Amino acid sequence: EPEVTQTPSHQVTQMGQEVILRCVPISNHLYFYWYRQILGQKVEFLVSFYNNEISEKSEIFDDQFSVERPDGSNFTLKIRSTKLEDSAMYFCASRGGLPGAPLHFGNGTRLTVT
Amino acid sequence: LAKTTQPISMDSYEGQEVNITCSHNNIATNDYITWYQQFPSQGPRFIIQGYKTKVTNEVASLFIPADRKSSTLSLPRVSLSDTAVYYCLVGSYNFNKFYFGSGTKLNVKP
Repeated sequence: EPEVTQTPSHQVTQMGQEVILRCVPISNHLYFYWYRQILGQKVEFLVSFYNNEISEKSEIFDDQFSVERPDGSNFTLKIRSTKLEDSAMYFCASRGGLPGAPLHFGNGTRLTVT
Repeated sequence: LAKTTQPISMDSYEGQEVNITCSHNNIATNDYITWYQQFPSQGPRFIIQGYKTKVTNEVASLFIPADRKSSTLSLPRVSLSDTAVYYCLVGSYNFNKFYFGSGTKLNVKP
């Protein structure tokens, strides 16, 4: 069964550094998403992406965040200047184009900001 | 967006049927209802999705009443490996954003 893959599985960075989290969505999917989950809390929506542009974003997704689909397979989340409170699991998801197509999630990148 | 409400936690024993109900009073006409399972340090895993009435697959059933203001995930004969957090997600396909609720932590005991 096709799956969403994310790399790296764990990223440690120092406060103020830039990080790029990478995702390879399922190949024929058209819609892409980033979510985050702070330890012990619920899964929070960050941003959705379709047709090479952001569809929706939450209030969490401020100017320090950006997303990009640099080629036909990768989907990236960049955090420009990391803060301690950015430490969380970051999940990528994708879905197909049919109405009601469910989201499929990767297993996440654990980001630790020190 | 439709807000979802679920019980925070539930306990069950191996072999029992478990029903987890989710309330979504302001669900929109085009919204679908999807349930996910999440184990610690893993991404949410799709279980089942429906729009109305009943849907069944190899792992679960989903019951949706006619008014669609709630839904019930039914897990037959749970095992210890079903211990996880279960999320009900009401999808806004018109706006392409999907918010998770707080989820239900299911604890299956031997």
